[in-house]
Amino acid sequence: SQKIEQNSEALNIQEGKTATLTCNYTNYSPAYLQWYRQDPGRGPVFLLLIRENEKEKRKERLKVTFDTTLKQSLFHITASQPADSATYLCALEGSGGGADGLTFGKGTHLIIQP
Amino acid sequence: DTGVSQDPRHKITKRGQNVTFRCDPISEHNRLYWYRQTLGQGPEFLTYFQNEAQLEKSRLLSDRFSAERPKGSFSTLEIQRTEQGDSAMYLCASSTPGTSRYEQYFGPGTRLTVT
Repeated sequence: SQKIEQNSEALNIQEGKTATLTCNYTNYSPAYLQWYRQDPGRGPVFLLLIRENEKEKRKERLKVTFDTTLKQSLFHITASQPADSATYLCALEGSGGGADGLTFGKGTHLIIQP
Repeated sequence: DTGVSQDPRHKITKRGQNVTFRCDPISEHNRLYWYRQTLGQGPEFLTYFQNEAQLEKSRLLSDRFSAERPKGSFSTLEIQRTEQGDSAMYLCASSTPGTSRYEQYFGPGTRLTVT
C-alpha cells in the first residue's frame, strides 16, 4: 500500500542553522509533492509545491528537492529562526490522481532553539 | 477575513448524538475538501467537492458520515450516531481552479470531542 514516511520525532536545531526535513514515500508515483506548515491547534498552511520534473524549488529561506528515483523529498529552512518552530507536513496527491484529496505524512515537529 | 472559515471551532457531544459542521471556503474557490486529523497524525482525506458535485469519497467516510455542498458555496459535514473514535479535528480546505489548483487552503478546523 502507499506510504509516506517523515521523521515523527522532534528535530531540534540551533537558531541560524539550516534545518533539513525528510519525506520518503513508497508505492507511489506522484506528479507533484507539497509541504505544509502546521502550528498547534490550527489548520495546515501551504508552503511549496514541487512537480516531478523539477529537481529543486526555492521560496525565500525555504528550499525543496524532489528525487523521484530515491522517492524522497528534502525540505530545507536556511537561517532558521525560533518562529520557524512548527510541525511540517509532506503531502502527495491521492491515489485518484488529479487535484483531489491529498495524502499526508505524520509530520516532523521542528524546534528552533535560540 | 477572506480565508476558509469553519463553525463551530469546538464541539463536545455525547456518544450516539448527531453533529453537523459547516465550512465556508474562500469565495472564488470551486474545490472543497474535508479531512480528519487525530493527535500525532497528518490529516486524512475524507471527501472532495468540485462545485456542488461530490467527486471522491474516502473509505474512511462510513455510512454515518455525509457531506453536502448544495449550492457550490459552503459545505456541511454531518456525523450521525457519533462514536468515541470520531473524536478528532475536522479540517476543511479549498482550492482555486487553474494552475494553482493543487494548493489547498485550510480552515482552522472543528475539534470534536465525543464523550
